[in-house]
Amino acid sequence: SQQGEEDPQALSIQEGENATMNCSYKTSINNLQWYRQNSGRGLVHLILIRSNEREKHSGRLRVTLDTSKKSSSLLITASRAADTASYFCATDVMGNTPLVFGKGTRLSVIA
Amino acid sequence: EPEVTQTPSHQVTQMGQEVILRCVPISNHLYFYWYRQILGQKVEFLVSFYNNEISEKSEIFDDQFSVERPDGSNFTLKIRSTKLEDSAMYFCASSEQFQGYTFGSGTRLTVV
Repeated sequence: SQQGEEDPQALSIQEGENATMNCSYKTSINNLQWYRQNSGRGLVHLILIRSNEREKHSGRLRVTLDTSKKSSSLLITASRAADTASYFCATDVMGNTPLVFGKGTRLSVIA
Repeated sequence: EPEVTQTPSHQVTQMGQEVILRCVPISNHLYFYWYRQILGQKVEFLVSFYNNEISEKSEIFDDQFSVERPDGSNFTLKIRSTKLEDSAMYFCASSEQFQGYTFGSGTRLTVV
């Protein structure tokens, strides 16, 4: 079964706008993580939210988790051109078990 | 900030040849992983390693693959006889217990 499916697949916004990306998953989880990947580069861990948490903030990032709907969202506020990247959610079923990644959302922030 | 280091950044190899991808995880991390990403596709789990042994592996991680932690710092992925479809970015990652992963920058493997 597919875990961690993001939508939209692609998102294009103007600098200064907010970007919202969503992630849905199918099974119960221990935690959900968001990663960023610049083209052809490695994955950068952004934020981890545990199953007993509902919201988490880190700088301009805000992540929510709704375990009843098996969904999460990543909000980037006041976006910058440097935020242009692909964003992936990944689910961890039991803690330190293999992450299951979605296909990602390609975010383009236009200056 | 501590980082996971992978070498080489790019490797080109002939089909059928053996390759070894190298990783230096973060020193106090206990869990080590290899993932791969075929161009344009999802990041896929290959294998996890904890307490000096494989803890989980995926269907992709068949007999052609092996991992080793030969000393206290290195973590290697070996592909014995490469196939064209092994061409991908290979990412090493490490983590503490119940924390997010730190990924390396990846090795781009091209099998010709």
